[in-house]
Amino acid sequence: GAGVSQSPRYKVAKRGQDVALRCDPISGHVSLFWYQQALGQGPEFLTYFQNEAQLDKSGLPSDRFFAERPEGSVSTLKIQRTQQEDSAVYLCASSVSTSGLYNEQFFGPGTRLTVL
Amino acid sequence: DAKTTQPTSMDCAEGRAANLPCNHSTISGNEYVYWYRQIHSQGPQYIIHGLKNNETNEMASLIITEDRKSSTLILPHATLRDTAVYYCIVSPNQGGKLIFGQGTELSVKP
Repeated sequence: GAGVSQSPRYKVAKRGQDVALRCDPISGHVSLFWYQQALGQGPEFLTYFQNEAQLDKSGLPSDRFFAERPEGSVSTLKIQRTQQEDSAVYLCASSVSTSGLYNEQFFGPGTRLTVL
Repeated sequence: DAKTTQPTSMDCAEGRAANLPCNHSTISGNEYVYWYRQIHSQGPQYIIHGLKNNETNEMASLIITEDRKSSTLILPHATLRDTAVYYCIVSPNQGGKLIFGQGTELSVKP
């Protein structure tokens, strides 16, 4: 079956441009997470959705970052007025639910954003 | 959130067992130990998790000490494809965010 997909896989933006990164989670997965991974570092949590509700956005680094999941499926992470420090790999993950025995998150391949 | 400590890097010979340690001395009673790995240019991949008892699946074994302050991930017969960064994470089993550390970079050598 299809896993988590992300698009584009690579994005180059000029400083000040807006970008939109897309995540298609595994069908039926309730939970969706966004992480940011700087070069040589572990992923860092950005935000979390349960269906269409954004329950935790504590990791978003500034108000230039905005995420949505309007129909509880596909999610978009938008970064406005990109800065060089936004250069990173943006990872999306989904999981079956928020309760129960398992917390296994399935990750997509990531979108590598380079801001020039 | 509890924090974990892992060695920065380890080497292992192909075909031998790889034993990756993790310290989590401040783990809470309701927190599980999770292991993920990240192969170069891919997203992290779930390996295994446990609470108190040792666990085994088709990928690996997880040994948790009785006091739960440390654990070891064991890859019984490492292959070149096991070369990756391995992350030890402690988290309540409630479907929430994962707090990654720096992980251990495992290099499996022929």
